[in-house]
Amino acid sequence: EAGVAQSPRYKIIEKRQSVAFWCNPISGHATLYWYQQILGQGPKLLIQFQNNGVVDDSQLPKDRFSAERLKGVDSTLKIQPAKLEDSAVYLCASSLTARTAYGYTFGSGTRLTVV
Amino acid sequence: AQRVTQPEKLLSVFKGAPVELKCNYSYSGSPELFWYVQYSRQRLQLLLRHISRESIKGFTADLNKGETSFHLKKPFAQEEDSAMYYCALSGSGGSNYKLTFGKGTLLTVNP
Repeated sequence: EAGVAQSPRYKIIEKRQSVAFWCNPISGHATLYWYQQILGQGPKLLIQFQNNGVVDDSQLPKDRFSAERLKGVDSTLKIQPAKLEDSAVYLCASSLTARTAYGYTFGSGTRLTVV
Repeated sequence: AQRVTQPEKLLSVFKGAPVELKCNYSYSGSPELFWYVQYSRQRLQLLLRHISRESIKGFTADLNKGETSFHLKKPFAQEEDSAMYYCALSGSGGSNYKLTFGKGTLLTVNP
């Protein structure tokens, strides 16, 4: 079974620039999550999709962050404009269903550095 | 609100010694608890969940609802256990199935 694919692996940008991350979940997984992991902290949920609909985006800084999952498969997370404090690893995870937290599969993440 | 606390950022033990990684949680309902592990240069992966009550790689964890704890234990640590360990909690119902993570504990097992 192929895992959760994320790209790019690394990205360095200057503050106020924009950046986009891509995630392709495991085939058949209806639920997709984006997590932000700042150095020294655990992953924090940014947004949860069920198919192409948003289930929870309560912790997404909507003034600068946006995410979409138009066809209910792959997803894009965008930051515009980036701030220094956005430096983090952005993790994508998917699961078959949203009815349990068991069965999450994480991608390798995208490490973002904002300078 | 869901909260997970891992009081130790770093834990260092010698090979063959017992190890215990602490986790306390806060949740008003009936939670499901997990331990995730991240080895160097690898992705985050599930180690065990409290419902299955199984031992994985010699690790066990018991949910203590009275103390709201879910400590991870292993009687004899191995060098390959060196990794970052995260305790995570999931609620039940609606969007509460999302995982809330602690800040993690970096375990180093010395030879």
